[in-house]
Amino acid sequence: QKEVEQNSGPLSVPEGAIASLNCTYSDRGSQSFFWYRQYSGKSPELIMSIYSNGDKEDGRFTAQLNKASQYVSLLIRDSQPSDSATYLCAVNGGNFNKFYFGSGTKLNVKP
Amino acid sequence: GAVVSQHPSRVICKSGTSVKIECRSLDFQATTMFWYRQFPKKSLMLMATSNEGSKATYEQGVEKDKFLINHASLTLSTLTVTSAHPEDSSFYICSARGTSGRVHEQFFGPGTRLTVL
Repeated sequence: QKEVEQNSGPLSVPEGAIASLNCTYSDRGSQSFFWYRQYSGKSPELIMSIYSNGDKEDGRFTAQLNKASQYVSLLIRDSQPSDSATYLCAVNGGNFNKFYFGSGTKLNVKP
Repeated sequence: GAVVSQHPSRVICKSGTSVKIECRSLDFQATTMFWYRQFPKKSLMLMATSNEGSKATYEQGVEKDKFLINHASLTLSTLTVTSAHPEDSSFYICSARGTSGRVHEQFFGPGTRLTVL
């Protein structure tokens, strides 16, 4: 069983719609959760971090965490073609030096 | 803040040569850096965790004698691919763990694309 699971996609949404990206993790002791965006040929860029249950909003992005269900999601409102990228979910367990990345979900936002 | 640089961004070399990649944290001190490789359209694969002043911890299946990691200072880690072969061609990315309230976060360098002929 993989530590972090994501649907590989591609997820296609029209411009202006809400994109919903999901991630589940296996280690119930995980403490920190992150979403990275990776454009083709580029390195990952941190866009959201969340540490406690509930929602965290930053501009058009909302991260949602449900530790009981071991589930974290990312909502992108008013999706733009420039949001087209692969989104990586990452989880940090109790050990600061152990990060687990999902394989990523490819998002296509169609104009 | 939390900027990580990598050099070179791209390198092409002949089979059998060694290639050194540098990873620097520009505006913070990084006690821990990570080295990843990524094949086209594949996920990140952690190669090793590098702690300043101590030996790197390699992931299972990664040859420590082939991928030499040195973390000599709080702002610099290097990865040397020794006797590179075409199968080592990949995108190598370093990251640094944050400090001062951002210790749970990783910040990535821009990556180095290695092509071995």
